Amino acid sequence: EAGVAQSPRYKIIEKRQSVAFWCNPISGHATLYWYQQILGQGPKLLIQFQNNGVVDDSQLPKDRFSAERLKGVDSTLKIQPAKLEDSAVYLCASSLEFSAYEQYFGPGTRLTVT
Amino acid sequence: GENVEQHPSTLSVQEGDSAVIKCTYSDSASNYFPWYKQELGKRPQLIIDIRSNVGEKKDQRIAVTLNKTAKHFSLHITETQPEDSAVYFCAASMGYSSASKIIFGSGTRLSIRP
Repeated sequence: EAGVAQSPRYKIIEKRQSVAFWCNPISGHATLYWYQQILGQGPKLLIQFQNNGVVDDSQLPKDRFSAERLKGVDSTLKIQPAKLEDSAVYLCASSLEFSAYEQYFGPGTRLTVT
Repeated sequence: GENVEQHPSTLSVQEGDSAVIKCTYSDSASNYFPWYKQELGKRPQLIIDIRSNVGEKKDQRIAVTLNKTAKHFSLHITETQPEDSAVYFCAASMGYSSASKIIFGSGTRLSIRP
């Protein structure tokens, strides 16, 4: 079975610019997660979707971050404007509906803000 | 909300020896405890998990123990090999719900000395 796909794999932008990341979950996985992983830390949940509805976005910095999951499949995460502290790896993960038991992670997008 | 603490942050063991990583959690409602392995530049991958209805689970050289009363759980790796070198993350969740989220520990960098 194909895994979680993410693009781009790497992105370098200047502060105050905008950036968007894309994620395609495993087919049939209704739950999709975006995590931020700062170097040397564990992944931190930014937002969780169940189909195309938001379940949890309590740790999403909504003044600059936004995410959507149209049609309940692919998802995009946007940062506008970016700050230096946004430099991190952004991981997308998916899991079967009604089960957070096994999350499958994508390869991540490494963002560097200069 | 849930908080997961992980120790040690770095661990170096001789090849063939055992390694133990310990985590504590704060929310007694948590009932699912996965462990992820993340090799350098790669995605986190689930290596073993345990649910609150059991106290121990083993899979070849890897075992996890859970003490619900003390709210701590541990990962044990026996007969360590060079390929065990990676960052290991523990996590806790009130699983089995589409609204459940996984809270990760800060990670342990395990190095296996030849």
